[in-house]
Amino acid sequence: AQKVTQAQTEISVVEKEDVTLDCVYETRDTTYYLFWYKQPPSGELVFLIRRNSFDEQNEISGRYSWNFQKSTSSFNFTITASQVVDSAVYFCALSEVYAGNMLTFGGGTRLMVKP
Amino acid sequence: GAGVSQTPSNKVTEKGKYVELRCDPISGHTALYWYRQSLGQGPEFLIYFQGTGAADDSGLPNDRFFAVRPEGSVSTLKIQRTERGDSAVYLCASSPPGEPYEQYFGPGTRLTVT
Repeated sequence: AQKVTQAQTEISVVEKEDVTLDCVYETRDTTYYLFWYKQPPSGELVFLIRRNSFDEQNEISGRYSWNFQKSTSSFNFTITASQVVDSAVYFCALSEVYAGNMLTFGGGTRLMVKP
Repeated sequence: GAGVSQTPSNKVTEKGKYVELRCDPISGHTALYWYRQSLGQGPEFLIYFQGTGAADDSGLPNDRFFAVRPEGSVSTLKIQRTERGDSAVYLCASSPPGEPYEQYFGPGTRLTVT
């Protein structure tokens, strides 16, 4: 069965610091997708990124970057020069193509960015 | 365009009562998902529709929970004989047809069973 682990339950940083959110996953499928979602205090989940299991190329989008390593089953998320608006709960999730594409979420990491 | 909408935003009910939660997906999205999020946890899958049929309901906790999507658009999650343990935020998401695209989530319905 699939599983996603986010070992860091809470991280606190000062504005402008870089921060990395860890995500480790388990799956028996060879074809799967990994996602990151942001849940700000308002509560609505906001999609950030999707990667498929065949594409290990790292990705950068502005201050956000993602490091996907199949060898360690990890899909880590780095925010560079963090801002107060980055404060939120971040969820990593996995979907298996042959299991209906429902998302299996990790427990989330609460990021607090202090001014 | 309009996102996923859910009504009501908040629902308070007494133990033992019946409740219905509604989800209106993004137009054209064929897949619809229900998740439940308890305080301090990640969302947990409940049921998935592809069109009108429930493609996978393995996440429903017991037979008090039921969901329908009769016309392949709006979906209703129904909970009978509510229990205090059902208190949570119920999230709905939809995604377009094709490969596993990202799921777009609604704001959720916060259910409180007293």
